[in-house]
Amino acid sequence: DQQVKQNSPSLSVQEGRISILNCDYTNSMFDYFLWYKKYPAEGPTFLISISSIKDKNEDGRFTVFLNKSAKHLSLHIVPSQPGDSAVYFCAANSGGSNYKLTFGKGTLLTVNP
Amino acid sequence: KAGVTQTPRYLIKTRGQQVTLSCSPISGHRSVSWYQQTPGQGLQFLFEYFSETQRNKGNFPGRFSGRQFSNSRSEMNVSTLELGDSALYLCASSTPGTGGDEQYFGPGTRLTVT
Repeated sequence: DQQVKQNSPSLSVQEGRISILNCDYTNSMFDYFLWYKKYPAEGPTFLISISSIKDKNEDGRFTVFLNKSAKHLSLHIVPSQPGDSAVYFCAANSGGSNYKLTFGKGTLLTVNP
Repeated sequence: KAGVTQTPRYLIKTRGQQVTLSCSPISGHRSVSWYQQTPGQGLQFLFEYFSETQRNKGNFPGRFSGRQFSNSRSEMNVSTLELGDSALYLCASSTPGTGGDEQYFGPGTRLTVT
């Protein structure tokens, strides 16, 4: 049973445009959500997170939106740059002392110059 | 500050053998988690250690085990290797105060079982 789903295995956008990566979850106990970026031959790198008490969090070109009623979150990258090309993982945590992250299977983002 | 380091980076083993992977967390981080990444299953949580105690465990068979030392370094062991154990094994560390949510990953150990 996949509790965190990223239904788009890949996404291709033009440089300068917006990239929108989507993630759905099923576990109502999740209360903290994170996005990680992963380049080949490297470990995932933390990008941005959001607590369930918020519906939006921004950090520079990256914004994460959370819709709790729909159990959906999205990552917006504006403007997209070729260096953003990587696999993006959505992850969720039920917080407290639970350090277990549940990951989606990832979306490969390609930003074309 | 040095990042999370994992050794070895690459490993080839034969089915039935056992393997030990090592992880050194970021200095000051006391929580270490292990994940398995495969093309089919993505990133899956193995276990998490804090102050030498296993606090969380994923849904993996008992062949997968781990431990943490007093300096927070951690090892994971896989016994009686199977072909399906071929994967990238990632270690992540975090520090209290962040809720353990922002985990910092090492580059991983690529294990190939033949």
